[in-house]
Formats: sequence, C-alpha cells, structure tokens
Amino acid sequence: AQSVTQPDIHITVSEGASLELRCNYSYGATPYLFWYVQSPGQGLQLLLKYFSGDTLVQGIKGFEAEFKRSQSSFNLRKPSVHWSDAAEYFCAVATNSGNTPLVFGKGTRLSVIA
Amino acid sequence: DAGITQSPRHKVTETGTPVTLRCHQTENHRYMYWYRQDPGHGLRLIHYSYGVKDTDKGEVSDGYSVSRSKTEDFLLTLESATSSQTSVYFCASNKDGNTEAFFGQGTRLTVV
Repeated sequence: AQSVTQPDIHITVSEGASLELRCNYSYGATPYLFWYVQSPGQGLQLLLKYFSGDTLVQGIKGFEAEFKRSQSSFNLRKPSVHWSDAAEYFCAVATNSGNTPLVFGKGTRLSVIA
Repeated sequence: DAGITQSPRHKVTETGTPVTLRCHQTENHRYMYWYRQDPGHGLRLIHYSYGVKDTDKGEVSDGYSVSRSKTEDFLLTLESATSSQTSVYFCASNKDGNTEAFFGQGTRLTVV
C-alpha cells in the first residue's frame, strides 16, 4: 500500500521569504501526487497535482511542486510567501490504477510572520 | 466546485448516544471518504466507500460504522459516542481513487 510522510509538522517563514514543504511517498510504481491546502475552519482545497509528464507542476496561488522519482519526493515550493498563505498543507498519494483510496500525509502547518 | 455538503455542521451530544453524520455529493463520484482531524494527527481515514454498498475500513474505524445506500449519500454513525470521538469530521469524494478529491466543510462534533 502507498504511504506519505511529511517530515515537518510546523514551519514558520517570514513574509516575502521562499518556502519549501517536504513530502516523501512510498509506492512501487509511478504515483499520482497531490498537494492540498486547508485554511483555518475550512475544508481542503487542491493546490496542484502530478499524474505524468513534466515533473515540475504549477498550481494555484503561485505554488509549484517538483516530482523527483529518485528521491520519492514531491516537494511544494513558493518563491515569495504572503501572510495569506498561513494554513495547513497536506500531501496525498494515489495509485495509478485508481482502485484504492487517496492516502494523506499528516500535514504541515505553515505560519507566516511579518 | 464539486457539490459536497455535510450535515450537521456542528453538533454537541452526550456520551453513550448514537450520532449520525451525513455527507451528500452531487458529482456522481464513485469514492467517498470520512476522515477525522485532530491536532497533531492530521487527517485520519475512518471509512471509505468505492460504490453503493461497498465500504471498507480506514486506520481509525473502531466505534464507527458507515452506510452507502445511494451513490450520493455516505453516512457515518458513531454507535455510542465517547469523548475521544470529539473531533472535526470531513467528508470527501472523488471519481476514482486517483483523481482529485473534493472536501466538505467539515462537522465539528463535541461529545460531553
């Protein structure tokens, strides 16, 4: 079965600084990968997804993520963080068959300071 | 956005009482999920469904049951609520297990 690890429980960055959130997955074949964001009191919203092709994917709100098969990683990046990016971020992995449910990581909480 | 709604949005109940949470989706999605979210634990899968009357357990299924009699509805029942089941519950759905999942707004359940 597939699994996801988000090593960082909580990250604090300054507004305007760059951001990288880590995600490592475990799955024998090429996975389907997702990043979701959860603002306080809200449900989860999809930021971006990777199925195949270009390993650098662009998402909403200026986020991007890079799939690195050799490192089993799908890290989320943003060049300049805004205060409104403070939220919880979840990485998720799915199998290419689509016959098993999505598996989520435990999440990384992002705080943004002035 | 996909139409997925949860009801109720907030509930306070007493220990030992049964509670049912409802999830309704209008996208004809095959998969539906129930998660609970607690500080320090992220999202934990309780049960999921991959079709009408087809359900399976997640990692924290003890004390919970589910039913899916129609494609659009997925019910989560706490058979006898305990204080440890105080949490925020999220429902989600997707067309297949590897497609984008859409989430409801969550139900905040307090067991006193």
